[in-house]
Amino acid sequence: GAVVSQHPSRVICKSGTSVKIECRSLDFQATTMFWYRQFPKKSLMLMATSNEGSKATYEQGVEKDKFLINHASLTLSTLTVTSAHPEDSSFYICSAYRGAGVGEQYFGPGTRLTVT
Amino acid sequence: DAKTTQPPSMDCAEGRAANLPCNHSTISGNEYVYWYRQIHSQGPQYIIHGLKNNETNEMASLIITEDRKSSTLILPHATLRDTAVYYCIVRVARSSGSARQLTFGSGTQLTVLP
Repeated sequence: GAVVSQHPSRVICKSGTSVKIECRSLDFQATTMFWYRQFPKKSLMLMATSNEGSKATYEQGVEKDKFLINHASLTLSTLTVTSAHPEDSSFYICSAYRGAGVGEQYFGPGTRLTVT
Repeated sequence: DAKTTQPPSMDCAEGRAANLPCNHSTISGNEYVYWYRQIHSQGPQYIIHGLKNNETNEMASLIITEDRKSSTLILPHATLRDTAVYYCIVRVARSSGSARQLTFGSGTQLTVLP
């Protein structure tokens, strides 16, 4: 099956700093990747859609200047949380769209961000 | 995409079949039923999907009613490792080749008991 990785799996940072999370599709090319956020005991909420070579599309209420998304290649998308604050602490999950086959979205293992 | 309704939680004895229901009464003719699960602190995992026929794979079976307004995911022999939140999602499979995001509801917390 298709594999999607995320790095790092866990990160702790201080308030005001920036954190970059990488999402890679390891064995397929992904023209589209999605970034989700999940708070404790809540469901996944879509943050943005990342298309290779173009600007990301953000969901309503998600600040594009705070959550910078770059999809520079067909196998890598990055999410940078800028000037992180404790309320940004969450579980961030990416998914990659292969565009073929069943269950065509494949999810990464997630990144646990804690802002102190 | 059509809205789905699932019970918030269910228990199942280890080794027994787990039957997880999902209501999707507003489903459209071109919308598929997808099931994903999320084990604690992991990313969601694809289980199965179907349009109108019943489907089976190595993980589970999907039973869709004739009117397509509800479905049941069946894990035939639940194990402790099947404890997870199960999400039923209704969505068009593809739209002219463009990607469509998955909209997650609250899901069902399945707890498999020893």
